[in-house]
Amino acid sequence: EVQLVESGGGLVKPGGSLRLSCAASGFTFSSYSMNWVRQAPGKGLEWVSSISSSSSYIYYADSVKGRFTISRDNAKNSLYLQMNSLRAEDTAVYYCARGRELFDYWGQGTLVTVSS
Amino acid sequence: QSALTQPPSVSGSPGQSVTISCTGTSSDVGSYNRVSWYQQPPGTAPKLMIYEVSNRPSGVPDRFSGSKSGNTASLTISGLQAEDEADYYCSLYTSSSTVVFGGGTKLTVL
Repeated sequence: EVQLVESGGGLVKPGGSLRLSCAASGFTFSSYSMNWVRQAPGKGLEWVSSISSSSSYIYYADSVKGRFTISRDNAKNSLYLQMNSLRAEDTAVYYCARGRELFDYWGQGTLVTVSS
Repeated sequence: QSALTQPPSVSGSPGQSVTISCTGTSSDVGSYNRVSWYQQPPGTAPKLMIYEVSNRPSGVPDRFSGSKSGNTASLTISGLQAEDEADYYCSLYTSSSTVVFGGGTKLTVL
């Protein structure tokens, strides 16, 4: 069974940093592109970043470019999102999702709250 | 990044059919078939319902169907059931290898 489990969320002050993790199991992690998608409270989905299976191709939404860094460790079946210079508008549930053109499996999400 | 426009809400009675639209431009939706649809019941993670405009993943009921005409993709749910009440999002994989989501549509089953 495919499972994606996010962790690392929490309360952080504006300007602070946080690192999210996504532990994958039940499939060959190294064969798939992975993504981070976020959802602000009461709002819609926003794609954040994607990384190809071998980390050769990385893409970011304009809203996080220069502040967030996506990475993966295929030996550990894990996906990461390093978030720096956090702003109030980054407050959201962050989901990891499998796929490139479509997202066929999603984790349950981890909540990041940016507030003083 | 392009924007996809969805109606904020739609509604229907059990057994009826509803259609949710997702409008882009001739440069995105109109040019590519990389449109997906996701269902998100309250408090849960999104679930893939349709990919590549009209394909259903295994396990998705055939009451759910997708289509495209010009710059507008559509999700149709026939034989509406109470369990279909959720938010629905379209998405597009762009020519820049990024992904854009529509604003979402809240489906209410009356």
